[in-house]
Amino acid sequence: AQSVTQLDSQVPVFEEAPVELRCNYSSSVSVYLFWYVQYPNQGLQLLLKYLSGSTLVKGINGFEAEFNKSQTSFHLRKPSVHISDTAEYFCAVSVYAGGTSYGKLTFGQGTILTVHP
Amino acid sequence: DAGVTQSPTHLIKTRGQQVTLRCSPKSGHDTVSWYQQALGQGPQFIFQYYEEEERQRGNFPDRFSGHQFPNYSSELNVNALLLGDSALYLCASSTGLATGELFFGEGSRLTVL
Repeated sequence: AQSVTQLDSQVPVFEEAPVELRCNYSSSVSVYLFWYVQYPNQGLQLLLKYLSGSTLVKGINGFEAEFNKSQTSFHLRKPSVHISDTAEYFCAVSVYAGGTSYGKLTFGQGTILTVHP
Repeated sequence: DAGVTQSPTHLIKTRGQQVTLRCSPKSGHDTVSWYQQALGQGPQFIFQYYEEEERQRGNFPDRFSGHQFPNYSSELNVNALLLGDSALYLCASSTGLATGELFFGEGSRLTVL
């Protein structure tokens, strides 16, 4: 079975400062990796995904993440945050075999990012 | 292009009752997955439907059941509701053999009293 650990439940940061949200995963087989964002009273929106290839992936709204296989991590970063980035962020993994994932995601507990003016 | 739509958005039930939640997938998607998100937690996988059959199931009791219709829409049914079933229920759609990228609806918030 796979699991996802988001190391920080809450991250406060000032506007225009950089931020890193940490995610570690555990799996005995290969995985795809995702970051989703959830704004209050809304569903989840995909920020970015790692499927294969370059370990640095870029997503929407200026976010990027780096896949580190040896450390089984997939940390999310943004060089300069805005007030509008205040939301809850979820890291997720999907096990795949033969190139097919079937879309079952295992999520972390979430990290609440609060951007202060 | 309509995204994933869910109904109802909010509902209140009492213990022992039954509830049905509905989901229409994003246009072009044929697979629907359901997740339960308890307050302060990450979403938990309930089950997934593809070609009108349950393809995968998470660790949820048989009180949770579902259905997928020929137009790919789906229902989630929960019988004999417990207080612990109170949560946001999220529907997600994708293509059948995709890489796991899911498109989520805004959810149905169920409160069990």
